Amino acid sequence: DTEVTQTPKHLVMGMTNKKSLKCEQHMGHRAMYWYKQKAKKPPELMFVYSYEKLSINESVPSRFSPECPNSSLLNLHLHALQPEDSALYLCASSRRFDAEFGELFFGEGSRLTVL
Amino acid sequence: AQSVTQLDSQVPVFEEAPVELRCNYSSSVSVYLFWYVQYPNQGLQLLLKYLSGSTLVKGINGFEAEFNKSQTSFHLRKPSVHISDTAEYFCAVTRRSQGNLIFGKGTKLSVKP
Repeated sequence: DTEVTQTPKHLVMGMTNKKSLKCEQHMGHRAMYWYKQKAKKPPELMFVYSYEKLSINESVPSRFSPECPNSSLLNLHLHALQPEDSALYLCASSRRFDAEFGELFFGEGSRLTVL
Repeated sequence: AQSVTQLDSQVPVFEEAPVELRCNYSSSVSVYLFWYVQYPNQGLQLLLKYLSGSTLVKGINGFEAEFNKSQTSFHLRKPSVHISDTAEYFCAVTRRSQGNLIFGKGTKLSVKP
């Protein structure tokens, strides 16, 4: 099983809503990532969790709140978002947070639209 | 800090023609290099990676890339493309001590019949 599963695939929310994006992997990976991708742009790193601890926060606004409840799950809680936050949110995982172990496995993404 | 430059934002090519997508990187430390492909409305899939060893790396779907340290390049090649290769291709780099990828801006490959 080499899958990273993200739900929901599509999400439309108002600026006052609270919603969550979910990501799950069962590959035994101990590093998990959130990336944000705007249209026609490369993915940009938001957060990295290593062994369920937050290792990197790339100066992401506090309206995005990550959570890693266990080694298989990664959530991104959304609150009071702005229309410019509309994007494809990609989750990824890797064996460890160490490039020697090679590749990141990406999910198909959650496409978020903020009205 | 490391960075990645993909020199072409779009590459149109006819089916069965060869293609090269260019990638240059800059880094003051040793890095690992990757090529990822993104089909429309999908996530990213690894095509190939260079960690060490042979500088010619073969990947999936008939793609290969050559690591050239002196020219700091990692160009992606395929001898004969198919319509199904139409996608966005991202070159990426990471430092050996960290796993998070730094992506280039991407090259949109359009294969025409």
